[in-house]
Amino acid sequence: AQSVAQPEDQVNVAEGNPLTVKCTYSVSGNPYLFWYVQYPNRGLQFLLKYITGDNLVKGSYGFEAEFNKSQTSFHLKKPSALVSDSALYFCAVRDYDYKLSFGAGTTVTVRA
Amino acid sequence: EPEVTQTPSHQVTQMGQEVILRCVPISNHLYFYWYRQILGQKVEFLVSFYNNEISEKSEIFDDQFSVERPDGSNFTLKIRSTKLEDSAMYFCASSQQGYGYTFGSGTRLTVV
Repeated sequence: AQSVAQPEDQVNVAEGNPLTVKCTYSVSGNPYLFWYVQYPNRGLQFLLKYITGDNLVKGSYGFEAEFNKSQTSFHLKKPSALVSDSALYFCAVRDYDYKLSFGAGTTVTVRA
Repeated sequence: EPEVTQTPSHQVTQMGQEVILRCVPISNHLYFYWYRQILGQKVEFLVSFYNNEISEKSEIFDDQFSVERPDGSNFTLKIRSTKLEDSAMYFCASSQQGYGYTFGSGTRLTVV
């Protein structure tokens, strides 16, 4: 099965600093990779995806992610974090039969 | 932007009771999914549905679970005899062809 791993349970950054949330993948074939964000007591909101094309993908709310085939990574980044970016972030990969398989999630806390 | 709608947003039920969680996927989408998230934890795949039948199900999706698309627009998840451990957030999602997935805002199920 296709899978993703998020090695960090928590990421803490100061507002205005760069934010990186890590994700590595294990797939056979070409990966279809996604990032979602979940604010407290809310649903899953789509941020961005990589299907094919440019390795740098730009998404919602100023987020971007870099697909790195040699390192099998798809890290989420934001150049300057905001307190409002504090949330739970999930990396996901399209698995067989078109379902998404999620990582364990990373809690991001941005302090003022 | 089209949305996936889930009702109710919160359901409280007694252990052993049957519950039906309802979802209205995006109208031109072909693939439908149910996921479960125990409070603040990983998002777990339950079942996928395509062409009016289950295409894949996880180990969690045992005989007490069933899905139905009764009228061409709604997509329901039934839990026949709820257990305490069924308490979770349940997300419905739909996809056109596996290149983008839209999630509903979830139903929080509390079994008491």
